[in-house]
Amino acid sequence: AQSVTQLGSHVSVSEGALVLLRCNYSSSVPPYLFWYVQYPNQGLQLLLKYTSAATLVKGINGFEAEFKKSETSFHLTKPSAHMSDAAEYFCAVSVSNFGNEKLTFGTGTRLTIIP
Amino acid sequence: NAGVMQNPRHLVRRRGQEARLRCSPMKGHSHVYWYRQLPEEGLKFMVYLQKENIIDESGMPKERFSAEFPKEGPSILRIQQVVRGDSAAYFCASSPRGRGAFTEAFFGQGTRLTVV
Repeated sequence: AQSVTQLGSHVSVSEGALVLLRCNYSSSVPPYLFWYVQYPNQGLQLLLKYTSAATLVKGINGFEAEFKKSETSFHLTKPSAHMSDAAEYFCAVSVSNFGNEKLTFGTGTRLTIIP
Repeated sequence: NAGVMQNPRHLVRRRGQEARLRCSPMKGHSHVYWYRQLPEEGLKFMVYLQKENIIDESGMPKERFSAEFPKEGPSILRIQQVVRGDSAAYFCASSPRGRGAFTEAFFGQGTRLTVV
């Protein structure tokens, strides 16, 4: 079974500072990894995904994440935070299971941007 | 191409009533997944359906909850005799395929169920 651990349920950064949201996964087979963003009372929007191609994945809104197999990590970064980045971020993992796949989510990290 | 449509967006039910949540997948998508998000928690898998078939319902509570995805029309998540603990946001996602589903899946805006 796969799982995801997000370190830090709340992260605060100053506007213009580096954003780093941590995610570690556990999977017995090569996983697909995802980061989603959720704004208040909204649905989930896909930021980026890792599908075993390039280990450095670029997403929308200036975010990127690097898949590190040796560390079982998939941390999300953005060089310079913007006020509009304030939201909840979810890391998720799925593995192929004869076509029956589930997406397993972490518990989320709430990002606050300090003006 | 409309996205995944969920309705209603907000639903208020009294304890003991029934709640019906609808999810219309994107055009061409025949795989539907339902997730529940309890307050201050992440999303938990409930059920995976293809047209007219339940593939995996391992995340569904054994009682009061059911789901269907008929040949025609939206997928329905039905909660009978709702209780306060059912208050949550319910999201569905659709995908055009099963293998590697979430590499091409989209989520709806969710239905926020409040039980009073």
